[in-house]
Amino acid sequence: GAVVSQHPSRVICKSGTSVKIECRSLDFQATTMFWYRQFPKQSLMLMATSNEGSKATYEQGVEKDKFLINHASLTLSTLTVTSAHPEDSSFYICSASSRDRSTYEQYFGPGTRLTVT
Amino acid sequence: AQTVTQSQPEMSVQEAETVTLSCTYDTSESDYYLFWYKQPPSRQMILVIRQEAYKQQNATENRFSVNFQKAAKSFSLKISDSQLGDAAMYFCAYFDGANNLFFGTGTRLTVIP
Repeated sequence: GAVVSQHPSRVICKSGTSVKIECRSLDFQATTMFWYRQFPKQSLMLMATSNEGSKATYEQGVEKDKFLINHASLTLSTLTVTSAHPEDSSFYICSASSRDRSTYEQYFGPGTRLTVT
Repeated sequence: AQTVTQSQPEMSVQEAETVTLSCTYDTSESDYYLFWYKQPPSRQMILVIRQEAYKQQNATENRFSVNFQKAAKSFSLKISDSQLGDAAMYFCAYFDGANNLFFGTGTRLTVIP
């Protein structure tokens, strides 16, 4: 159990356009969802944390107007990269956790590779 | 913020042999969780093993075991009988029990046939 999906797995967009990435918890209700960014050969960097029905909490240095996060339901969170630039190209990973599960473990999606041309 | 240190950027092991990956962390808390995640080339993060800080017994999962030294703030991962499929990036992570998961910089493990 505890499967998290992401869509799309890969996306290429032109500079200046916006792109939306979806994160879904398939078999559990995600109280909290997290968005990470991973540069090549580096660790995961937390971008923001969102609770269902609440505004996301962004980490220091992450532009909330550029990376719009919506957690509209207990199974879906979206990350929208607005006015994308080549430096936004990266691997984006979401994860989800649930207070109903005793271990407070985060379950990770398979990631989305964004390339901005 | 808590820091997690993985001092071995790369490690290699012969197939069927044993390898230990190091991890240290810094915290003033007494109650927390520690994890080892595996990230293969597919980049899907896979939980390998977890340890609750209040448990003195070291966690084991088949060929994977940890050496948890709470006083020393050390959490190493031992992989026994290494297999080709174990080749991946391994991340040590500290969870504070709220919403905060802190990752180390990772260790790339190569398994030599």
